Amino acid sequence: EAQVTQNPRYLITVTGKKLTVTCSQNMNHEYMSWYRQDPGLGLRQIYYSMNVEVTDKGDVPEGYKVSRKEKRNFPLILESPSPNQTSLYFCASSWGDLSNSPLHFGNGTRLTVT
Amino acid sequence: AQKITQTQPGMFVQEKEAVTLDCTYDTSDQSYGLFWYKQPSSGEMIFLIYQGSYDEQNATEGRYSLNFQKARKSANLVISASQLGDSAMYFCAMRAYYGQNFVFGPGTRLSVLP
Repeated sequence: EAQVTQNPRYLITVTGKKLTVTCSQNMNHEYMSWYRQDPGLGLRQIYYSMNVEVTDKGDVPEGYKVSRKEKRNFPLILESPSPNQTSLYFCASSWGDLSNSPLHFGNGTRLTVT
Repeated sequence: AQKITQTQPGMFVQEKEAVTLDCTYDTSDQSYGLFWYKQPSSGEMIFLIYQGSYDEQNATEGRYSLNFQKARKSANLVISASQLGDSAMYFCAMRAYYGQNFVFGPGTRLSVLP
């Protein structure tokens, strides 16, 4: 089944403790990205990747890191999480970056930083 | 910069009735794509429908149709014959021709009443 898999679904952590949210897609998609969803703000892009070893900042990259060592994987790293990073996070992928290419989303990771 | 506006934070509709969810957008690009996503209470993001800026006909997918008015920069989602399972959050989004970023609106919460 074609899908984007992200783990974990739920994560509670404390301020400053490094964490990684994994994301993997099995559709051979070139483009991958991370979003955070906050009430009233919709989804905002954190980072995106056009291909292996190519990553770039989105609208809200502060406090996050990503890597794209393999085409299928695009982990999100929070080196020193803070409470304002409490949010619902989505990984997404698409076959390309053209305007007719819809995003396919993972099921989301609900992160709480205390 | 691109921007999506959804002016209806919440909507109610009677089961079996049609409902229109509003979306207006702002962009200086000539070529772009418009998308609608559904987010049920379980949290996943489900792709519903796509409209290209140069498409002459409005997109339809089953009970979903997109009322695209390019001059007014609006891309309203019409759901016909509402069902209880349509109760969810709905997001309008757009992507430019070389779309590194997907821009999302704040969403509209639709509640279908029995």
